[in-house]
Amino acid sequence: AQSVTQLGSHVSVSEGALVLLRCNYSSSVPPYLFWYVQYPNQGLQLLLKYTSAATLVKGINGFEAEFKKSETSFHLTKPSAHMSDAAEYFCAVSDYGSSASKIIFGSGTRLSIRP
Amino acid sequence: SAVISQKPSRDICQRGTSLTIQCQVDSQVTMMFWYRQQPGQSLTLIATANQGSEATYESGFVIDKFPISRPNLTFSTLTVSNMSPEDSSIYLCSAFAGFDTDTQYFGPGTRLTVL
Repeated sequence: AQSVTQLGSHVSVSEGALVLLRCNYSSSVPPYLFWYVQYPNQGLQLLLKYTSAATLVKGINGFEAEFKKSETSFHLTKPSAHMSDAAEYFCAVSDYGSSASKIIFGSGTRLSIRP
Repeated sequence: SAVISQKPSRDICQRGTSLTIQCQVDSQVTMMFWYRQQPGQSLTLIATANQGSEATYESGFVIDKFPISRPNLTFSTLTVSNMSPEDSSIYLCSAFAGFDTDTQYFGPGTRLTVL
């Protein structure tokens, strides 16, 4: 069975500081991994995804994530936080190679940005 | 990407009544998904809806409580039946759409409050 663990339900950083949101996964097959963002009172928007190509994945809004198989991690980073980055971030995993796969979501991390 | 719309965007309902949520995708898709996001929590998959067959429900969710229709390749409905305050949640639909068959795109969600 697949699972995702997000470390830290709430992360607070200063504007301009590094953002690091942690995600570890468990999967018996090569996974597809995703980061989604949910702004207040809105649906989910895809930030980036890993689908077995390059291990360093760049997404929208300056975010990137690195797939590390040895650590079973897919942490999300952004070099310099902006006030508009304040949102809920979800890491998710699905089975490799199947468009019919379920997506399993982590518990989410709320990112706050201090002025 | 895909554009997914939902109606209504929010509703306040009385205990014991039912609400039907509509989901429309701007392209034909094989599978659509319905999720529930309880207050302050992550997303939980309710069911997978295939066109032309019965929906497949996840553990803890039953057809009598959450009947789903999938009349064509661009549309689905989820009904929340005999509602109680515990059903107060955001309900989101999603689909793999377009050329991006390994990514689920989400609708904006329906925010349901049951009094």
